[in-house]
Amino acid sequence: DVKVTQSSRYLVKRTGEKVFLECVQDMDHENMFWYRQDPGLGLRLIYFSYDVKMKEKGDIPEGYSVSREKKERFSLILESASTNQTSMYLCASNLRGRANTEAFFGQGTRLTVV
Amino acid sequence: GENVEQHPSTLSVQEGDSAVIKCTYSDSASNYFPWYKQELGKRPQLIIDIRSNVGEKKDQRIAVTLNKTAKHFSLHITETQPEDSAVYFCAASENLIFGKGTKLSVKP
Repeated sequence: DVKVTQSSRYLVKRTGEKVFLECVQDMDHENMFWYRQDPGLGLRLIYFSYDVKMKEKGDIPEGYSVSREKKERFSLILESASTNQTSMYLCASNLRGRANTEAFFGQGTRLTVV
Repeated sequence: GENVEQHPSTLSVQEGDSAVIKCTYSDSASNYFPWYKQELGKRPQLIIDIRSNVGEKKDQRIAVTLNKTAKHFSLHITETQPEDSAVYFCAASENLIFGKGTKLSVKP
């Protein structure tokens, strides 16, 4: 049973705090992704990583950074949380360059910045 | 980078009718086009995908068509059922750039 697990389902943080969102997958996937989901805006790619220590900016990387020190773990960091970063955050992973590239998503973290 | 446009944003059909959702993409190098379904409160799940060496793919009531020349692809759902009600997302490239989604409502 494939699994992508995000560390928190709900999170409330104060403006200016440094926030860490963690994602772990147990499928030995090379690719990992971080998205934010807002009503009417779909799934917007923040960052993705295709290997350990490798990362590429997505469409909306401003205000975020990422860390991938181990293959199974991909962390999203909000350096100084702001209210406009209140959103649902989704992590996903898939195999790279194979016939089956189905992406599996985590359950999501609903972050509220107050 | 890749840009994906998806239409319509909302779609309401009667049970038993067909539903069609269309997407266009910008990067001619993209060669992978998946569709995901997200039910309320749940995570997105893959329902069908297509690669650029194929023009059409079917799986029971759902099908996807791809026109690489025009850079557009479509999801077709036939004989819709209330359980098809959800938000559907198209995506392009292995970097998974998503469209903004289509909220499909199937009325019994």
